[in-house]
Amino acid sequence: GEDVEQSLFLSVREGDSSVINCTYTDSSSTYLYWYKQEPGAGLQLLTYIFSNMDMKQDQRLTVLLNKKDKHLSLRIADTQTGDSAIYFCAEIYSGAGSYQLTFGKGTKLSVIP
Amino acid sequence: EAGVVQSPRYKIIEKKQPVAFWCNPISGHNTLYWYRQNLGQGPELLIRYENEEAVDDSQLPKDRFSAERLKGVDSTLKIQPAELGDSAVYLCASSLDGRAGETQYFGPGTRLLVL
Repeated sequence: GEDVEQSLFLSVREGDSSVINCTYTDSSSTYLYWYKQEPGAGLQLLTYIFSNMDMKQDQRLTVLLNKKDKHLSLRIADTQTGDSAIYFCAEIYSGAGSYQLTFGKGTKLSVIP
Repeated sequence: EAGVVQSPRYKIIEKKQPVAFWCNPISGHNTLYWYRQNLGQGPELLIRYENEEAVDDSQLPKDRFSAERLKGVDSTLKIQPAELGDSAVYLCASSLDGRAGETQYFGPGTRLLVL
């Protein structure tokens, strides 16, 4: 089956940049996603990148994709306390005609004031 | 515009009891998903509907889980009987047409505790 790996914890100081990393195994992934989950809430889509792109920037968020190494990262500039949450990397597995999202276990970001 | 609505938000039951979760997707969204999220894990897909048709239920434990989306709008997920290992957050999501790259919008989830 397809697999998405993330480090479980990251701690940064307010104002610093955060970099959350993810590796995936499905070479046929077409889209890769970053979702944010705050305590007791559902998942909120932050951004996504198409597999033929190397980078995507959206305000404080920068997504980098290294397709050769199957590595995805999310950089949050000027990290704020409100960014404290769990961040999930996900890929679309398009095998057998099923567009199924496969999630990593999530990285818990703690922002120190 | 209202997002994905789920109820109840929390449910505590004893093992072997039945339980049902309800989801109302975003208006106009044809595709509806049920995910299960175990503690410390990412969500895992249980079933996906295109309108009223279940098009991917390969990961739904069919011996005790059932789902329906009779009119292609809201949906119910049922567990009967519940087991201790079913304790998890059950998330519902919807998207416009279910195509790759299309945003899935998630509800807040139902947190189930089986005692």
